[in-house]
Amino acid sequence: KQEVTQIPAALSVPEGENLVLNCSFTDSAIYNLQWFRQDPGKGLTSLLLIQSSQREQTSGRLNASLDKSSGRSTLYIAASQPGDSATYLCAVINNAGNMLTFGGGTRLMVKP
Amino acid sequence: NAGVTQTPKFQVLKTGQSMTLQCAQDMNHNSMYWYRQDPGMGLRLIYYSASEGTTDKGEVPNGYNVSRLNKREFSLRLESAAPSQTSVYFCASKIAGGDTQYFGPGTRLTVL
Repeated sequence: KQEVTQIPAALSVPEGENLVLNCSFTDSAIYNLQWFRQDPGKGLTSLLLIQSSQREQTSGRLNASLDKSSGRSTLYIAASQPGDSATYLCAVINNAGNMLTFGGGTRLMVKP
Repeated sequence: NAGVTQTPKFQVLKTGQSMTLQCAQDMNHNSMYWYRQDPGMGLRLIYYSASEGTTDKGEVPNGYNVSRLNKREFSLRLESAAPSQTSVYFCASKIAGGDTQYFGPGTRLTVL
């Protein structure tokens, strides 16, 4: 059974810092991996999707990497801003492409 | 486009009561999903429907039933609610062959 773990569970940083969020998964037979953002009381917004054959994806100040063989992904946020405060969730999709398994999330607070 | 909509936004039930959570999408997506989110546990898949007329169990289906009413709508029913079903419920959808799931805003359910 696939298990996804995110470390740390919570993170507080001053504005302007570069930061890294970590995600690990136990079964490397994945179809792809996604990073989501969740604001309090809201649904999830997809940030980045990395196919299993890719090593990284970039969108603006966000860069996600994937090392399938070691079961790890990182989300790098450059020059953090207070508006980045949210919970960040990673999820892996199984090879059948029909099931997302989520990590518990990292709750990020960026202080002005 | 409204995207994925869910009703109601909030609900309080007594143990043993029944209710149906509604989900609709206007993006002509084939696949639809129901998840529950509990504190610190990320999202877990309850049921999904890969296409109109089909439904399959996810990770935590016990105590729930679903109906794919048509291509737009996918409902989740609790026949006899239990306190363990207190959670936030999210509906999601995606296009056939696509990778990204689009999430609704969630329904916060409390069972007393």
